[in-house]
Amino acid sequence: NAGVMQNPRHLVRRRGQEARLRCSPMKGHSHVYWYRQLPEEGLKFMVYLQKENIIDESGMPKERFSAEFPKEGPSILRIQQVVRGDSAAYFCASSPQVGTHHYEQYFGPGTRLTVT
Amino acid sequence: KNQVEQSPQSLIILEGKNCTLQCNYTVSPFSNLRWYKQDTGRGPVSLTIMTFSENTKSNGRYTATLDADTKQSSLHITASQLSDSASYICVVGITGNQFYFGTGTSLTVIP
Repeated sequence: NAGVMQNPRHLVRRRGQEARLRCSPMKGHSHVYWYRQLPEEGLKFMVYLQKENIIDESGMPKERFSAEFPKEGPSILRIQQVVRGDSAAYFCASSPQVGTHHYEQYFGPGTRLTVT
Repeated sequence: KNQVEQSPQSLIILEGKNCTLQCNYTVSPFSNLRWYKQDTGRGPVSLTIMTFSENTKSNGRYTATLDADTKQSSLHITASQLSDSASYICVVGITGNQFYFGTGTSLTVIP
């Protein structure tokens, strides 16, 4: 059973370009979370999605950032018109159905975005 | 303000020694507390998950404690190994599926 996969692992974009980060959850998991980790800081929650639904996007900047988790295919975190401050590691985590408050989250290896 | 603070920020210990990492939080409404291990360049891996009613949980050489009254948790590592060198992150979950992450304790185990 493959773990959570993220690609690309490293992404370099110039200011103003678009960045697309992909996350394939573990098999059988229908819940995906995106987190951002700035240098020397802890992970910060961005968005929580189920298949075809955004459940909680309270941690995501209101402009330039969007996320989706289509019925088929990976979850995508999209950053439009990137700026230097977007440079960070972006982690995706997946979990099985959320029925109890102590479900397990499995993290991917992250995508390191560098904006030049 | 919901916050998770960890101490120390970094720690160096000799292989074979024990150590204890601390986590204080002001997150509410509290649902669960997790400790993760994050190796450099990798995603976090779960070590323990504790709910309000649990005050200790072990996973091999890792033992986590939770005092929900004082809002403190600790992670004790016994007989450290070189492979324990990593960042250890305390995470507090609230009802509604949000999580608050500490900035981690960077542990280095030296031979």
